[in-house]
Amino acid sequence: NAGVTQTPKFQVLKTGQSMTLQCAQDMNHNSMYWYRQDPGMGLRLIYYSASEGTTDKGEVPNGYNVSRLNKREFSLRLESAAPSQTSVYFCASSAKRDPMAEQYFGPGTRLTVT
Amino acid sequence: GDSVTQMEGPVTLSEEAFLTINCTYTATGYPSLFWYVQYPGEGLQLLLKATKADDKGSNKGFEATYRKETTSFHLEKGSVQVSDSAVYFCALSDTTDSWGKLQFGAGTQVVVTP
Repeated sequence: NAGVTQTPKFQVLKTGQSMTLQCAQDMNHNSMYWYRQDPGMGLRLIYYSASEGTTDKGEVPNGYNVSRLNKREFSLRLESAAPSQTSVYFCASSAKRDPMAEQYFGPGTRLTVT
Repeated sequence: GDSVTQMEGPVTLSEEAFLTINCTYTATGYPSLFWYVQYPGEGLQLLLKATKADDKGSNKGFEATYRKETTSFHLEKGSVQVSDSAVYFCALSDTTDSWGKLQFGAGTQVVVTP
C-alpha cells in the first residue's frame, strides 16, 4: 500500500515549456487535490476533484489544467511554464467529500522554472 | 473569506522543552480544525483534529483545544524531542462547504536541538 505517489520528484523547466505532474493513490479514495507550497504562504489549493470525471477550481488555478483520468489518477498540467510557477506541488486524496475527512499527501514535486 | 494565522518561525527549542504554536482563525461558518505536520523531505500528514467547539485533539503527545470564544486552536507539547523537528501547519475546513477544501496557515518551523 503505497498511499499517494507523485512523479517526478524534481523538475527543471525553461519558461514556456510544458509538463504534466502525475499523481496516483491506491486507497480507493474519491476526492483528490492539487496544492502548491510557497515559502511563507502555506499550501494553496490549485484544483480538486470529487470523483472521476469531475474537477473544480481552487484558490490559484490560473496557468494550470487537470485531468481526473480514473479513480486512482489525477494529473496537473502546466501548458506554458512561468517563473511564478516555481514551487513545490503536493497531491492529496481523501476518502470522501467531507470537511472533516483527513487528507493524505504525496511526497511532493519540486519544480523550478527558469 | 476564511483564513488561518500562525505564529512565525522558526521556533528553536532544546530537547524536553515545552512547545506552543499559536493558531487563530477567521471563518464565517463552523469550521473543523486540523494540525498537519511536514517532516523534512516528506509530504504533510495529519497530526490531530477537532470538529467542534471545546473538542480536544491529541496525538503523539501533542494536544490542541478548539476554542470558539477566542477563535484559536493552539498546539502544545509538554516535552519535545529532536524527532519533533518539522514544519507544523494549522488548517481549517468549512463544514458548510461539502468539498472538504482545506485552508492552511503559513506553517511554523520547529527546530529541536539535543
